[in-house]
Amino acid sequence: AQSVTQLDSHVSVSEGTPVLLRCNYSSSYSPSLFWYVQHPNKGLQLLLKYTSAATLVKGINGFEAEFKKSETSFHLTKPSAHMSDAAEYFCVVSETRYSTLTFGKGTMLLVSP
Amino acid sequence: EPEVTQTPSHQVTQMGQEVILRCVPISNHLYFYWYRQILGQKVEFLVSFYNNEISEKSEIFDDQFSVERPDGSNFTLKIRSTKLEDSAMYFCASSTGARGYTFGSGTRLTVV
Repeated sequence: AQSVTQLDSHVSVSEGTPVLLRCNYSSSYSPSLFWYVQHPNKGLQLLLKYTSAATLVKGINGFEAEFKKSETSFHLTKPSAHMSDAAEYFCVVSETRYSTLTFGKGTMLLVSP
Repeated sequence: EPEVTQTPSHQVTQMGQEVILRCVPISNHLYFYWYRQILGQKVEFLVSFYNNEISEKSEIFDDQFSVERPDGSNFTLKIRSTKLEDSAMYFCASSTGARGYTFGSGTRLTVV
């Protein structure tokens, strides 16, 4: 069975400082991994995805994530936070043989001026 | 960029009433899904639909729920007799099957 653990429910950063949102996963197969962002009262927007190609994945808005199989991690990073990055971020796993997605509980990113 | 469209954006219904949530998936996508997010909780899978039938469903998707693709473009989720605990944001998604999901912006259902 697949599962996702997002280690922080809230992360607070100052504008211009680095962002690190942590995610660990569990999967019986070779998983696909995703990060989605949800702005208030908006839908789920795909930031980036890993599907067994390069382990360092670049996404939209300057975000990237690194797949580390040995650590079963897929942490999301950004070198410099922007006020518009304030939102909820979901780490998501999908096992190879299934199309359904399993979501983490989400991490709320707060960005202060 | 193609979008998944969900209507309405908000729906308030009385307990025990039937409600239909509507979705227009991306036109060349073959797989369709419903997920829901109860306030403060994680997004949960409800059901997937392919080739005009349910391909997978979660334990949440009981006999109160049904899905339909009535006219080749719309994809609907029906809740037959709503309960207070059905209050949630419901997300429709579609994909090509290569795990390229696109989600709609959601319908916020409030059962009173």
